[in-house]
Amino acid sequence: AQSVAQPEDQVNVAEGNPLTVKCTYSVSGNPYLFWYVQYPNRGLQFLLKYITGDNLVKGSYGFEAEFNKSQTSFHLKKPSALVSDSALYFCAVRDMGSGGGADGLTFGKGTHLIIQP
Amino acid sequence: ETGVTQSPTHLIKTRGQQVTLRCSSQSGHNTVSWYQQALGQGPQFIFQYYREEENGRGNFPPRFSGLQFPNYSSELNVNALELDDSALYLCASSSSGAGDTQYFGPGTRLTVL
Repeated sequence: AQSVAQPEDQVNVAEGNPLTVKCTYSVSGNPYLFWYVQYPNRGLQFLLKYITGDNLVKGSYGFEAEFNKSQTSFHLKKPSALVSDSALYFCAVRDMGSGGGADGLTFGKGTHLIIQP
Repeated sequence: ETGVTQSPTHLIKTRGQQVTLRCSSQSGHNTVSWYQQALGQGPQFIFQYYREEENGRGNFPPRFSGLQFPNYSSELNVNALELDDSALYLCASSSSGAGDTQYFGPGTRLTVL
């Protein structure tokens, strides 16, 4: 079985400061890892993913994430936060061994990111 | 390129009724996945359709069923609605590889009274 933990329900950051949203995962094999963002009453927007290769992945809107296999983590980061980054962020995982994605994505419970002006 | 669309936007039903939700996949995608997002929770995988057949299923009862059509659009049907079925239902389309990105529609908000 696969699982995702987002240990913080809410993260508060001042505008212009760096931000980190934490994610740890558990899979039986090797993971595909994803970050999505959700604005109120909206669907999920894709930010970035780790498939293979470089551990540092760059995505949309200046976000990046670092894959750490030994710590089973995939934390989302941004060097300088904007007020418009305030939203709900979800980490998701799928086991590479799952046949054709048939297991679907497993999501964490989400982290509310609040950027204060 | 057209993104993923879902209809209706909102829906109110009473307990015991049946509901059908619809999803049009993004151009070029052949796989559709459905998720249920309860209030304050992350999305939960319901099932996935590929080439008009169910390709995988999460921990949802048989009263949750679906279809995929030759144009890759999809329906989610829920029979015998329960109060706990109230949620945002999300459809995502993708190509068929396990590492392929799933692109989500705006969702259908279902309220069961």
